[in-house]
Amino acid sequence: EPEVTQTPSHQVTQMGQEVILRCVPISNHLYFYWYRQILGQKVEFLVSFYNNEISEKSEIFDDQFSVERPDGSNFTLKIRSTKLEDSAMYFCASSDLVGWTDTQYFGPGTRLTVL
Amino acid sequence: DAKTTQPNSMESNEEEPVHLPCNHSTISGTDYIHWYRQLPSQGPEYVIHGLTSNVNNRMASLAIAEDRKSSTLILHRATLRDAAVYYCILSRGSTLGRLYFGRGTQLTVWP
Repeated sequence: EPEVTQTPSHQVTQMGQEVILRCVPISNHLYFYWYRQILGQKVEFLVSFYNNEISEKSEIFDDQFSVERPDGSNFTLKIRSTKLEDSAMYFCASSDLVGWTDTQYFGPGTRLTVL
Repeated sequence: DAKTTQPNSMESNEEEPVHLPCNHSTISGTDYIHWYRQLPSQGPEYVIHGLTSNVNNRMASLAIAEDRKSSTLILHRATLRDAAVYYCILSRGSTLGRLYFGRGTQLTVWP
């Protein structure tokens, strides 16, 4: 069964450093998402992406964040200058139909630890 | 965001049915009801969704009240692998696929 994959599974970085989290969505999907989950808290939406541009972003997704689909298979989330509060699990998801009835398939997540 | 209310936790014994309730009294006519679950240390996983009629799939059944203000996710025979946090989420077209996760229901399954 096709699945979303994410690398690395765990990333440790120093505050102020740039990190890139990578995702390979399911191959025929056209809609891509990033969510994050701070330890013990809710899963929070960050951004959605379609047709090589951002469809929607949350208030969390400020100028420090960016997303890119550099080729036909990868979808990346970049954090330019990490803060301690960016420590969280980051989940990538993809779907093949936007709107009410889309089903989003999530990856296993990348645990980001900012020291 | 579209508001849902779920119990914080529920327990079940293995092999028994589990009924996970969700209230969504402010649901609009075009909102779909989605259920996802999150196993420990994993990403959320789609379970089932529906609009008005009851739905069945290989994982679970979804029973939707006639007025659509509540729904119940039914796991017919709980297994230890079903221990997870279950999220009831309403999808609104204006949010273009954005999912709003609440706290969900932590399901504990006892052997």
